[in-house]
Amino acid sequence: GQQLNQSPQSMFIQEGEDVSMNCTSSSIFNTWLWYKQDPGEGPVLLIALYKAGELTSNGRLTAQFGITRKDSFLNISASIPSDVGIYFCAGQLDLAGGTSYGKLTFGQGTILTVHP
Amino acid sequence: ETGVTQTPRHLVMGMTNKKSLKCEQHLGHNAMYWYKQSAKKPLELMFVYSLEERVENNSVPSRFSPECPNSSHLFLHLHTLQPEDSALYLCASSHGLSYEQYFGPGTRLTVT
Repeated sequence: GQQLNQSPQSMFIQEGEDVSMNCTSSSIFNTWLWYKQDPGEGPVLLIALYKAGELTSNGRLTAQFGITRKDSFLNISASIPSDVGIYFCAGQLDLAGGTSYGKLTFGQGTILTVHP
Repeated sequence: ETGVTQTPRHLVMGMTNKKSLKCEQHLGHNAMYWYKQSAKKPLELMFVYSLEERVENNSVPSRFSPECPNSSHLFLHLHTLQPEDSALYLCASSHGLSYEQYFGPGTRLTVT
């Protein structure tokens, strides 16, 4: 199946630092989504991207849909302790000739730890 | 209640038991999903329902049986599970087959 390579696998940063993580694939994706998952909870949608080159912000979060449609990155500025969690990218591969029934492919996640 | 709710939050069952997981969405969505989340693995899509019809069955063993009686409720019936089925089972919903899926908190399943 399709794979998304998400990096880094984990990050340990100081409060106030900026964070950058990315997802890459050998396949072309039509949609990129970024989710955050807190311990014991389900993933929460942060940002959705639908067009190549699109740059979207949500508060301190900024995400971009790579121009090649094979990658996306997520930046978090001025990190705070509540940014701790696992960040997942997810993409949708547009299958030729029809719908893909909302089928998302997920990355392995980036574990973010923020030290006060 | 708001968003997507799942019950129970935790479940321990033996391999010979039969149990069911329940999901309810309060978002007015009409598509619902079951995912499996295992340690150190990406989320795996199991089933997709759109307008109460199953549109995707991602090669899931028959010991997992989904049911979608209406657009707000989704069940996952479990029987004769294996220890490797232990995982977090997540339900999600969306407006149509949108890629903006909203997740519930999950059911942590342990098979002994």
